[in-house]
Amino acid sequence: QQKVQQSPESLSVPEGGMASFNCTSSDRNFQYFWWYRQHSGEGPKALMSIFSDGDKKEGRFTAHLNKASLHVSLHIRDSQPSDSALYFCAASGINNYAQGLTFGLGTRVSVFP
Amino acid sequence: EAAVTQSPRSKVAVTGGKVTLSCHQTNNHDYMYWYRQDTGHGLRLIHYSYVADSTEKGDIPDGYKASRPSQENFSLILELASLSQTAVYFCASGQNANTEVFFGKGTRLTVV
Repeated sequence: QQKVQQSPESLSVPEGGMASFNCTSSDRNFQYFWWYRQHSGEGPKALMSIFSDGDKKEGRFTAHLNKASLHVSLHIRDSQPSDSALYFCAASGINNYAQGLTFGLGTRVSVFP
Repeated sequence: EAAVTQSPRSKVAVTGGKVTLSCHQTNNHDYMYWYRQDTGHGLRLIHYSYVADSTEKGDIPDGYKASRPSQENFSLILELASLSQTAVYFCASGQNANTEVFFGKGTRLTVV
């Protein structure tokens, strides 16, 4: 079973609109969460991390973490064509410290004019 | 910006042949990782290393070996390439296990 699950698999959002997608984990070892973005033909690049309950805002991006339910979400305000990409949720924990990040399957976001 | 360089960027290999994918980082990071990306499977960890001359198995190590001869270099070796190993491979580095991981641009491997 996938330890980090993302939904939806894909979504389309109009330019200027809000894109929202989710991530949940079944492993209570996971304490640290990241969002990575991958444009076509490139490697993933970190967008932001969230380690504490609540919201974290960086520019047009807001992440929300609920540690009790191990649920993370990412919201993109005022979506731009350059936001069209594959977004990965990634998690790491205490027990598998050295192994680094476990990734979900990704949510593909398409921003249309 | 942190730099991770992979070579080659693409390769076609023959079934049963040996393939070596190379990775070089200039970030002075202790941790290095090899991931495989397939459609529908996300990014899966093959091998990782947190110190030179030592490597560890990740989640899908079968059919792969890794080598970390120095802090900067980390190689992935396919001794007997198989069709199922056709994928995009990413190398990454990080300062420690819970900090940002920096990825290379990937190597597209096609086994025929």
